Amino acid sequence: GQQLNQSPQSMFIQEGEDVSMNCTSSSIFNTWLWYKQDPGEGPVLLIALYKAGELTSNGRLTAQFGITRKDSFLNISASIPSDVGIYFCAGQINSGGSNYKLTFGKGTLLTVNP
Amino acid sequence: NAGVTQTPKFQVLKTGQSMTLQCAQDMNHNSMYWYRQDPGMGLRLIYYSASEGTTDKGEVPNGYNVSRLNKREFSLRLESAAPSQTSVYFCASRLGTGRVLDNSPLHFGNGTRLTVT
Repeated sequence: GQQLNQSPQSMFIQEGEDVSMNCTSSSIFNTWLWYKQDPGEGPVLLIALYKAGELTSNGRLTAQFGITRKDSFLNISASIPSDVGIYFCAGQINSGGSNYKLTFGKGTLLTVNP
Repeated sequence: NAGVTQTPKFQVLKTGQSMTLQCAQDMNHNSMYWYRQDPGMGLRLIYYSASEGTTDKGEVPNGYNVSRLNKREFSLRLESAAPSQTSVYFCASRLGTGRVLDNSPLHFGNGTRLTVT
């Protein structure tokens, strides 16, 4: 099946720094999603991308859908302590049948030192 | 508006015991999903229900059964729990049916933390 390579696996940064993480795949996706998971909670949708080349912002977060449709990145500017958590990318292929295909990356654990 | 609600939040079982994890959504979503999350493995799909009355296997269905009780509720059953099923289980739902051209994003519950000893 499809696999997503998410990097880095973990990051330790100082408050105020910018952060960048990305996902790549050997497969083409039609949708890219970025989720954040706080400790003890479920993933929460941050940004959804639906078109190749699309660049979307949500506050200090910016994500892009790669032109090749095989990658996506998420940037966080001016990090703050509450940005701590696990960030997941997810890609979806709209298959020809009725199969649902949403593939998740293994996550990037972000730690922000105040 | 609670979104996706899962019960229980925590559970400890002995090997061989059975239990049902409950999930309900109040967003009038059509499709519902069960994932498990393990360290270093990300989120893996166990079963899903594209619409009321249908269920399908995901990536890791062995040892589980599901029931789409109605549009709101989707339960996951472990008939004979094994230590390998120790995990955090997430229920999710989406507005669309998960079929072609459905781009609606998944909404997750807060998880059930299951330990099998």
